[in-house]
Amino acid sequence: NAGVTQTPKFRILKIGQSMTLQCTQDMNHNYMYWYRQDPGMGLKLIYYSVGAGITDKGEVPNGYNVSRSTTEDFPLRLELAAPSQTSVYFCASSSTGGGGNEKLFFGSGTQLSVL
Amino acid sequence: SQELEQSPQSLIVQEGKNLTINCTSSKTLYGLYWYKQKYGEGLIFLMMLQKGGEEKSHEKITAKLDEKKQQSSLHITASQPSHAGIYLCGADRSTLGRLYFGRGTQLTVWP
Repeated sequence: NAGVTQTPKFRILKIGQSMTLQCTQDMNHNYMYWYRQDPGMGLKLIYYSVGAGITDKGEVPNGYNVSRSTTEDFPLRLELAAPSQTSVYFCASSSTGGGGNEKLFFGSGTQLSVL
Repeated sequence: SQELEQSPQSLIVQEGKNLTINCTSSKTLYGLYWYKQKYGEGLIFLMMLQKGGEEKSHEKITAKLDEKKQQSSLHITASQPSHAGIYLCGADRSTLGRLYFGRGTQLTVWP
């Protein structure tokens, strides 16, 4: 069972470079999320999507973009990488979302360093 | 300010000891979730609490929700090295399924 798959697992970028973090899920979940985790800071929500074609900002969206053209895929784009974007990024999905009755399934994360 | 406060930030216990981790929300809770994270891995769902007074157990881990206090506690009985990791609480504050997380509690269990 694949679940939520993230690629790459590790990446080093130079300041100003761009890249896309890939996330795909095979559970036919409508809801998908991107979080970043900084040491000692827990997880911060970057963007989320409630279905194909619909995305919205979370707590820390600046410097990122997302798209959701299919139910399965939810890529996260960094246009001009900055050292402040050094973090571990997690993608997650859930089937219904909301109401305190749905758990999230997480990918294994992408560790990104911007130097 | 952090909307979900976890305490303690880190915990080191000897194998076999009991321990408790707390999570307090500054806003109304629609649901409270507990996740565990091992180094280099994603988050694994442990338990979800929805109603005040609700208590759930899985193996040696018990979680309770005090809705009035907007607080949850996670209790591990007779800790083992396999319990080591980071425990995070997450809260659903809307009907949109956007979980917000605390900063986590780093648990170390030494033999």
